[in-house]
Amino acid sequence: DTEVTQTPKHLVMGMTNKKSLKCEQHMGHRAMYWYKQKAKKPPELMFVYSYEKLSINESVPSRFSPECPNSSLLNLHLHALQPEDSALYLCASSHGGDSYEQYFGPGTRLTVT
Amino acid sequence: QKEVEQNSGPLSVPEGAIASLNCTYSDRGSQSFFWYRQYSGKSPELIMSIYSNGDKEDGRFTAQLNKASQYVSLLIRDSQPSDSATYLCAAGDDKIIFGKGTRLHILP
Repeated sequence: DTEVTQTPKHLVMGMTNKKSLKCEQHMGHRAMYWYKQKAKKPPELMFVYSYEKLSINESVPSRFSPECPNSSLLNLHLHALQPEDSALYLCASSHGGDSYEQYFGPGTRLTVT
Repeated sequence: QKEVEQNSGPLSVPEGAIASLNCTYSDRGSQSFFWYRQYSGKSPELIMSIYSNGDKEDGRFTAQLNKASQYVSLLIRDSQPSDSATYLCAAGDDKIIFGKGTRLHILP
């Protein structure tokens, strides 16, 4: 089973709203990732959690705040976003250790108005 | 700056033919290489991973890696219209770098 789930599938939010994206995997993977993808562009890494600790932050603005409550869950808290933050937000997970194959969830399509 | 380069295409291939997709990478330290398929509006799907020089086959797909030339390729045999998608090449380990993708169009 290589399933990563993400909720919600679609999200429309105003620039003053606070919302959260959720990601879950039950594959026993120990690394989880957030990516942002704009149309016709490759996924752009935002954050990496390894063994529930933040290991990589790609200089993401503080209006994006990640959280890893446990090894199966990953959240992305959103606050005071800009219209240019509208994109597909992808969560991925990998086994960790020496295995780096990343499996993606279906994504959350975010529109900031 | 670590980079993965791909021809953006579109690459048009007749149904039943072999589609050949290529990419090069800049970081000689990369140990892991991946091909993802992405349909329009969907998330990337891992179709092949390769870690050592040579060929790796899985069904209609063959991945080829040449570390000396820093070159990775993907061959799709007996191409089907359902193979029409964007193919993303990626390289790296805990942090992987994606190429910009090659759009593949299989002509019925």
